[in-house]
Amino acid sequence: GAGVSQSPSNKVTEKGKDVELRCDPISGHTALYWYRQSLGQGLEFLIYFQGNSAPDKSGLPSDRFSAERTGGSVSTLTIQRTQQEDSAVYLCATGAAGDGTQYFGPGTRLTVL
Amino acid sequence: AQKITQTQPGMFVQEKEAVTLDCTYDTSDPSYGLFWYKQPSSGEMIFLIYQGSYDQQNATEGRYSLNFQKARKSANLVISASQLGDSAMYFCAMGVNTGGFKTIFGAGTRLFVKA
Repeated sequence: GAGVSQSPSNKVTEKGKDVELRCDPISGHTALYWYRQSLGQGLEFLIYFQGNSAPDKSGLPSDRFSAERTGGSVSTLTIQRTQQEDSAVYLCATGAAGDGTQYFGPGTRLTVL
Repeated sequence: AQKITQTQPGMFVQEKEAVTLDCTYDTSDPSYGLFWYKQPSSGEMIFLIYQGSYDQQNATEGRYSLNFQKARKSANLVISASQLGDSAMYFCAMGVNTGGFKTIFGAGTRLFVKA
């Protein structure tokens, strides 16, 4: 498809397990963002990739969170030793290197039991 | 530091009337972009409108217009002729050009359109 895709759409895991969330950007988009949205809340910035530059990791809440972007395309957000407070919808957005407009994927709903 | 403030947690509007959703921002960077996104109950985030800090005219996209008042650091969204399908959360966001656009979002305003 032409839009941003994320997988899985839903993930239920047990406390202490590691999870990987995937984002497939729109082809050609050099900017990629990860956000977290807790129930009824706004978007919390996590990490931002722009082309080949070093990512801006300033929003990652702890060292249990990490993200990679391979070949400037697909990105994976990894959460190690998940905690219940990690439960949220994780949104990926991508954009062309222009005005900053972002196109969002459908999100991954993570539930940590 | 950059900051986005949306002071209206919820708004009601009658169908077919216009509504203004407030947004103020704070940044010391001269180059920035202002955005509005809509999030229906289904959860997807939909881009609505963009205003660049150097744009002289207010942005418009169909029934959406952005009332950009740079001196006041406000970027209010105006929706004309409200429709029932406009009921959703609306987020104001700001991207600062640091070679890319790191973006921060406001807390959102929930709009309810009444029939």
